[in-house]
Amino acid sequence: GAVVSQHPSRVICKSGTSVKIECRSLDFQATTMFWYRQFPKKSLMLMATSNEGSKATYEQGVEKDKFLINHASLTLSTLTVTSAHPEDSSFYICSAELGGRSYEQYFGPGTRLTVT
Amino acid sequence: EDKVVQSPLSLVVHEGDTVTLNCSYEVTNFRSLLWYKQEKKAPTFLFMLTSSGIEKKSGRLSSILDKKELFSILNITATQTGDSAVYLCAVISSGNTPLVFGKGTRLSVIA
Repeated sequence: GAVVSQHPSRVICKSGTSVKIECRSLDFQATTMFWYRQFPKKSLMLMATSNEGSKATYEQGVEKDKFLINHASLTLSTLTVTSAHPEDSSFYICSAELGGRSYEQYFGPGTRLTVT
Repeated sequence: EDKVVQSPLSLVVHEGDTVTLNCSYEVTNFRSLLWYKQEKKAPTFLFMLTSSGIEKKSGRLSSILDKKELFSILNITATQTGDSAVYLCAVISSGNTPLVFGKGTRLSVIA
């Protein structure tokens, strides 16, 4: 089956620093990847849709200058949380779309970000 | 605005019980409904439902969609402690958001 990895799985950083999270589709090419954020006991919230070779599409309320997304290749998308603050602490999950079918998303294992 | 509502929000059952989880939705131009199981990490895909009245089964899990009444149920029979998880329902519409998630149902199965 399709496998998506994320790195790192867990990161702790200081307020004001930037953190990069990688999302890779390991055995398939993904034109489209998605970035979600999940707070404890809450549902997944779509942050942005990342398309290879073009700018990401951000959901309303998500600051694109704070959450930089780069989809440099068909197997890699990165999310950079810039100038992180404690309120950015969360669980970030990416997914990759298989074969252009948006229902067939395969999720990465997630990255837990803690900003101190 | 597209909306997906799951109930109950949480549920505690004993091993061997049967549970039914509910998902209702209001979306523009519905295409599919999906169920995911989320344990400590990211969700894993369970079912995709597109047509009304056709039950999907996988072991002790089954699910069915009612497009007239706009809901789906996920049944788990003979529950085991390993079924403890958050079950997420998501809907695909032809709107801009590829997946609209419900808040999930947290199922706890106790021995």
